[in-house]
Amino acid sequence: KAGVTQTPRYLIKTRGQQVTLSCSPISGHRSVSWYQQTPGQGLQFLFEYFSETQRNKGNFPGRFSGRQFSNSRSEMNVSTLELGDSALYLCASIPENTGELFFGEGSRLTVL
Amino acid sequence: SQQGEEDPQALSIQEGENATMNCSYKTSINNLQWYRQNSGRGLVHLILIRSNEREKHSGRLRVTLDTSKKSSSLLITASRAADTASYFCATPSGSARQLTFGSGTQLTVLP
Repeated sequence: KAGVTQTPRYLIKTRGQQVTLSCSPISGHRSVSWYQQTPGQGLQFLFEYFSETQRNKGNFPGRFSGRQFSNSRSEMNVSTLELGDSALYLCASIPENTGELFFGEGSRLTVL
Repeated sequence: SQQGEEDPQALSIQEGENATMNCSYKTSINNLQWYRQNSGRGLVHLILIRSNEREKHSGRLRVTLDTSKKSSSLLITASRAADTASYFCATPSGSARQLTFGSGTQLTVLP
């Protein structure tokens, strides 16, 4: 079974730009969640999608958004980038009926 | 906000020694999970312990849970250099699929 695929792995943007990150979950998993990891704040929950519907959202500004497609692939978008958005963005694929998360390798975003 | 706080923040041991990491959390939970992260990589699920369990084993890993003290510990026995990584505890927050992670313990195993 293929794992969780996140693209791109690395990217550099400048302040004010926007970015879109992609996540393909494990086949058969309908739930995807996103986390932001920074040295200062640690791992923080961004949002969770299930069958194309956002079920939960973390405490992030509206510049952070996401969506999920009918094939369960998910994207997250950050608009008007700020320096503080530099982070490792992790996507997790979640099977039904268990609590464990399967993470991708992440997308490392650097904002200059 | 972070539900779990881990102790110690960093731990350095020799190969073959045991490593113990502790996690404290604030609210009632129905399970607690431990994850491992190699530098700059994604997290890997290690073990899940339910609130009605006190101890669980998986290979060289032993996890305990004390719900009265709101704490858990992860013991890695006979450590290897390949165990060098950050270890995080995580608890459900809101929905069962939303996890709140601790601050992590950076483990270094010296060959």
